[in-house]
Amino acid sequence: DAGVIQSPRHEVTEMGQEVTLRCKPISGHNSLFWYRQTMMRGLELLIYFNNNVPIDDSGMPEDRFSAKMPNASFSTLKIQPSEPRDSAVYFCASSALKGANDEQYFGPGTRLTVT
Amino acid sequence: DQQVKQNSPSLSVQEGRISILNCDYTNSMFDYFLWYKKYPAEGPTFLISISSIKDKNEDGRFTVFLNKSAKHLSLHIVPSQPGDSAVYFCAASFSGTYKYIFGTGTRLKVLA
Repeated sequence: DAGVIQSPRHEVTEMGQEVTLRCKPISGHNSLFWYRQTMMRGLELLIYFNNNVPIDDSGMPEDRFSAKMPNASFSTLKIQPSEPRDSAVYFCASSALKGANDEQYFGPGTRLTVT
Repeated sequence: DQQVKQNSPSLSVQEGRISILNCDYTNSMFDYFLWYKKYPAEGPTFLISISSIKDKNEDGRFTVFLNKSAKHLSLHIVPSQPGDSAVYFCAASFSGTYKYIFGTGTRLKVLA
């Protein structure tokens, strides 16, 4: 099993540029999560998809952030325009969610630096 | 406001000794708790969990204790090994839901 795949692993961009982060969940998982990790706030849930449908986007910080899941094997998180305070590690996680509290499996993350 | 707090950003322990990582939460309605471990350049991986109907759950060298009245949980690692050096995240949830509320993490360093 390849696990959750994220790309790119590192992204450096200038303020004002558009950034797109990509995620491929584990095959067969029906739920996908985007998290952001910062020193001050730890791991924060940004958005949750179930069966490709966004269920909870209350963690998305601003309208500059958007996420899509066009099919069961692909999701994107886009930031447009990017700002220096968006610098963080962004994780994608997936889960089977067939029962209560099924484990979330995390990808390796994308380290985003906005200068 | 942080609903799950890990007040110790770092901890150093000698190999073979006990590591105790602490976590406090504010919402008494949380009824499911987890610990995740994270190595550098990798995503967090699930370590151990506990439901609020229990006060202890053990898995090999790892034991999680839950004190509901104090809204406190702790992870004990005995004996600690250098390979345990990682960042440990505590998370709280409502049973049967998807939403995990994570703490800020504690970096454990086990000294050989």
